Amino acid sequence: DTEVTQTPKHLVMGMTNKKSLKCEQHMGHRAMYWYKQKAKKPPELMFVYSYEKLSINESVPSRFSPECPNSSLLNLHLHALQPEDSALYLCASSQDMDSSPPGILHFGNGTRLTVT
Amino acid sequence: EDKVVQSPLSLVVHEGDTVTLNCSYEVTNFRSLLWYKQEKKAPTFLFMLTSSGIEKKSGRLSSILDKKELFSILNITATQTGDSAVYLCAPSGNTPLVFGKGTRLSVIA
Repeated sequence: DTEVTQTPKHLVMGMTNKKSLKCEQHMGHRAMYWYKQKAKKPPELMFVYSYEKLSINESVPSRFSPECPNSSLLNLHLHALQPEDSALYLCASSQDMDSSPPGILHFGNGTRLTVT
Repeated sequence: EDKVVQSPLSLVVHEGDTVTLNCSYEVTNFRSLLWYKQEKKAPTFLFMLTSSGIEKKSGRLSSILDKKELFSILNITATQTGDSAVYLCAPSGNTPLVFGKGTRLSVIA
C-alpha cells in the first residue's frame, strides 16, 4: 500500500455521466499531480498543483477538470468523456515541485477508468 | 521538447542473471533523474540521481548517471522472479518527471 490514497479503485462510466476521482495524502506534501497511463505505455503528466494552485496543465481537454480543495486533497472531475479516455489515472505527491532537486514523487495505486 | 529513450524495451532473462537497463535523455534545465519500478499498480521509487559518477546502491540494484553524455543505467544483479516488472526512467527539468516508455523485464525461474 502507498501513502497516497486514491478512490475509487475502479470506475465505469457512460459518456454522458459526471464523476470524480479523489486523491489524498497526509505527508505534508505541497505538490500534487495527475498522470494518465494507457495500457503498456508510460504515465503522461496531466496537471500539477503547487501550494494548492494549478501550476501545470499539459493541454488537457476541458472534459477533465482538476480541483485542489486543500493541501491534502486532489480531485479530478470528469464530464462527457470518450471511450479513448479509458486508462489508469494516477495521483502523485511530492514535497515541493520547484526545489532543486525536486522531491521524489509518491504515487497512489490509481483509479482504473472505463468509459462505455 | 523533452525526450527520454529507454533500451531495451523488453528483456527476458533467467534467475541469477545480471541485467543492465539504459536510459538516455534530453530535458531542458535538468534537475534530477529518477528510476521507478512498476508492477501492476503504482510506480515505486528506486533511485534519484543528481550528480554524475556517483553510484547509488540498494541491495542488488544500483544506478549511475552521466550528465555529460546524458544517460543513466540501472543494474540488477542475481535477478529473481520478483524483479519482473516495468522499469521506468524519469528525468525532471522544467517539466516534472518525463517518463520513458520503460523496459519490461521478465525473469524466468
